[in-house]
Amino acid sequence: GAVVSQHPSWVICKSGTSVKIECRSLDFQATTMFWYRQFPKQSLMLMATSNEGSKATYEQGVEKDKFLINHASLTLSTLTVTSAHPEDSSFYICSARTVGGVDQPQHFGDGTRLSIL
Amino acid sequence: AQSVTQLDSHVSVSEGTPVLLRCNYSSSYSPSLFWYVQHPNKGLQLLLKYTSAATLVKGINGFEAEFKKSETSFHLTKPSAHMSDAAEYFCAMDTGRRALTFGSGTRLQVQP
Repeated sequence: GAVVSQHPSWVICKSGTSVKIECRSLDFQATTMFWYRQFPKQSLMLMATSNEGSKATYEQGVEKDKFLINHASLTLSTLTVTSAHPEDSSFYICSARTVGGVDQPQHFGDGTRLSIL
Repeated sequence: AQSVTQLDSHVSVSEGTPVLLRCNYSSSYSPSLFWYVQHPNKGLQLLLKYTSAATLVKGINGFEAEFKKSETSFHLTKPSAHMSDAAEYFCAMDTGRRALTFGSGTRLQVQP
């Protein structure tokens, strides 16, 4: 149980393109989903917290107009990288927490590798 | 401030020998602590978690970790390393206020 599906797993696109990444909780409801960014050989850095039915909370330094987050249902959150540029190339990972409080661990998707040419 | 420190960026062991990956935390609250493993180009898989119950936590694949409040540590161990254990390991903390705080990661290399 507690499977998080992230799609696509790999995307290559031209500079200026907008890219949408989906994060789905397949067998549980997730009121909260998180979006992380990971640079090569580095740890995960939280970008934003996505709450179902409300606006996402962005971490300091993360451009909300650049990284659009939508959490329209209890099983789906999307991250759209708008007008992507080469510096946006990275590994993006989402996670979801099951309903039940802080003792419930976060479950992670397999990540999306974004390469902007 | 809440923080997680993984003391070794890289650990190399021989197959069949014990594994020790070190993690220290700093928190004003009683944290929940986790160990995750990440294989190349993959997301994170939960190995084990500590949530204020037993201080010795057993996880998957033979891993275990011991919570020591006096040392603010949560080290990950395994009695005998396997080649398939080679991966990146992350210690993480959850104080319930926000998303996980991750350590910088430890790359485990297993030599044949």
